[in-house]
Amino acid sequence: GESVGLHLPTLSVQEGDNSIINCAYSNSASDYFIWYKQESGKGPQFIIDIRSNMDKRQGQRVTVLLNKTVKHLSLQIAATQPGDSAVYFCAAGRRGSYIPTFGRGTSLIVHP
Amino acid sequence: EAQVTQNPRYLITVTGKKLTVTCSQNMNHEYMSWYRQDPGLGLRQIYYSMNVEVTDKGDVPEGYKVSRKEKRNFPLILESPSPNQTSLYFCASSLSHTTGNTEAFFGQGTRLTVV
Repeated sequence: GESVGLHLPTLSVQEGDNSIINCAYSNSASDYFIWYKQESGKGPQFIIDIRSNMDKRQGQRVTVLLNKTVKHLSLQIAATQPGDSAVYFCAAGRRGSYIPTFGRGTSLIVHP
Repeated sequence: EAQVTQNPRYLITVTGKKLTVTCSQNMNHEYMSWYRQDPGLGLRQIYYSMNVEVTDKGDVPEGYKVSRKEKRNFPLILESPSPNQTSLYFCASSLSHTTGNTEAFFGQGTRLTVV
């Protein structure tokens, strides 16, 4: 079955630095990928998604890169702020499937 | 305000006592789903619903039931809860997977403890 995993359980950065959170997936048939942010005591919040026919997508201060050759995606956060401190999840799914597979999460800690 | 509302937020119950966790969304979304979140395991889908009266199993459906009688509500039912169902539960909704829209809105979560 599909597996999705993040490379590091915890990432510590200084305020103002750029953060990069990495994720690997196993199923080459995965059609879409999503990044979520979960703050303490809250439900996951959608950040950005990317389709398998793209290799880069940008949002506000965030960029997702997809490398299908090595089944890897990353979330880049520019000028990281204390409010970015949270657990970040990647998820992968196939077209027509209603069951995205979530990774276990990377905890991003931003030091002032 | 667009939101997904779950109730209760916290619940402690005893083994075998039936319970229902409610979920309601005000965005007219077709697709709703339930997840459980456990340390080291991430989010795993329990059940999902593509529309009224249409439900299907996710990855971990054993011990759970759902119903979708109205578009806005998607309750999760534990007929006979057991300690291994102690977990953090999330309800989510999204516009429609068939449109290619993947953005899901999650509720605040329900922390369930079964003793």
